[in-house]
Amino acid sequence: GAGVSQSPRYKVAKRGQDVALRCDPISGHVSLFWYQQALGQGPEFLTYFQNEAQLDKSGLPSDRFFAERPEGSVSTLKIQRTQQEDSAVYLCASSLTLAGGQGDTQYFGPGTRLTVL
Amino acid sequence: AQKVTQAQTEISVVEKEDVTLDCVYETRDTTYYLFWYKQPPSGELVFLIRRNSFDEQNEISGRYSWNFQKSTSSFNFTITASQVVDSAVYFCALRSMRGTSYGKLTFGQGTILTVHP
Repeated sequence: GAGVSQSPRYKVAKRGQDVALRCDPISGHVSLFWYQQALGQGPEFLTYFQNEAQLDKSGLPSDRFFAERPEGSVSTLKIQRTQQEDSAVYLCASSLTLAGGQGDTQYFGPGTRLTVL
Repeated sequence: AQKVTQAQTEISVVEKEDVTLDCVYETRDTTYYLFWYKQPPSGELVFLIRRNSFDEQNEISGRYSWNFQKSTSSFNFTITASQVVDSAVYFCALRSMRGTSYGKLTFGQGTILTVHP
C-alpha cells in the first residue's frame, strides 16, 4: 500500500513568509508525528497526534510553529514569519497505534526540505 | 531524560568488508523500544528493526544482524559483506513507553556509512 507522503518536497521561503507543510499518513494509522532534521543531525521530535488530538507539542521550538490534524488523517505543519534558523528537513511519520507491540513502529515520509533565505 | 549516542560519525569500508555501527543509549525506563533506521540519499527514513527491552535475543536478517546488550545499554548493528547499496546514514533511536516522552523517538546523531566498490 501507499506510504507516508509529504508535500511539497522542497520549499524556499523568504524570511518573514508563512509556510504550510502537508503530511498524508498511511491509511488507517492513528498516530502521526512531526520531526525536524537539521543538516547533519538526527531528527528531533516536534509534536504528535492521536487521531485529531494533539497530545504532545513540547518539541515545537516557538509559538510560530503550529500543527493541526482536524479530521484525524492529513496533517499540516505551519510556520509563521519564517526565520533562517527554521531551515531544515521536516519529516512526518505515522504509526498504526501508540500502545506498544508491532503496531507502534513509525514509518516516515520523504520529508519537506525548507530553505529560508 | 533520554539520550542516544552514535559515536562513529563516519565509516568508510570497501565492498565485502563487514562493518559494525555502534549505538549506546541512556534511559531510566524499564520498558522501552530500540530502532534502527536507514536514510539513503533520497532522504526518506527506512525502518530496519524494532527491539523491545525485554528481548535480548540477537537477530539476523540476511546480511544484517543486531546485538542488543542491556547490561551495557548498547544496540549495535552489523552489516556482513557490505555492498555499495548499503551506503547511507544510519540512525539508532529510542522510544519511551511512559511519562511525557511517551511515543516519541529520540534519535542519535547518525553514522554516515560509505561503501566503496
